Amino acid sequence: DTEVTQTPKHLVMGMTNKKSLKCEQHMGHRAMYWYKQKAKKPPELMFVYSYEKLSINESVPSRFSPECPNSSLLNLHLHALQPEDSALYLCASSQSSQETQYFGPGTRLLVL
Amino acid sequence: AQSVTQPDIHITVSEGASLELRCNYSYGATPYLFWYVQSPGQGLQLLLKYFSGDTLVQGIKGFEAEFKRSQSSFNLRKPSVHWSDAAEYFCVNRGSTLGRLYFGRGTQLTVWP
Repeated sequence: DTEVTQTPKHLVMGMTNKKSLKCEQHMGHRAMYWYKQKAKKPPELMFVYSYEKLSINESVPSRFSPECPNSSLLNLHLHALQPEDSALYLCASSQSSQETQYFGPGTRLLVL
Repeated sequence: AQSVTQPDIHITVSEGASLELRCNYSYGATPYLFWYVQSPGQGLQLLLKYFSGDTLVQGIKGFEAEFKRSQSSFNLRKPSVHWSDAAEYFCVNRGSTLGRLYFGRGTQLTVWP
């Protein structure tokens, strides 16, 4: 089983809202990732967690705040987003940060 | 710097025809290469991967890829395309920094019935 789940599937939020994206895997993977993907572009890495510690932050604006409460869960807290933040947000996980990454279905975010 | 090149932005084939998607990588050490497929509005699904060993790699959905070090290539092939294969295909190289992947720009595949 190589399933990564993400909720919600779609999200519409205003620029003053606070919302969270959730990602979950039960494969025992110890590395988890957030990516942002704009239309017609490849995914761009945002954050990497390895063994529940943040190991990579790709200079992401502070309005995006990741959280890894345990080895199965990864959250992305959103606050005061801009319309240009509208995108598909993908979560991925891997056995370790050296191993193959498996992606979730994504959350389609629209910021109004 | 590490990079992955997919020369073809868009390819159109007829259903039942053969398919080859091109990918070239640049990196001095042994690459760790992947092909992912993404249907519209969906996540990325792993088709196949190459780390070492046999240079012809079999994947899911009838896809295969051949690693050619002399040409720095990792082209994806399928002998007979189905309409459901229409999607975006990404060639990916694992970076030297743990957790980082280098994506090609993607090739959009359209399948004519």
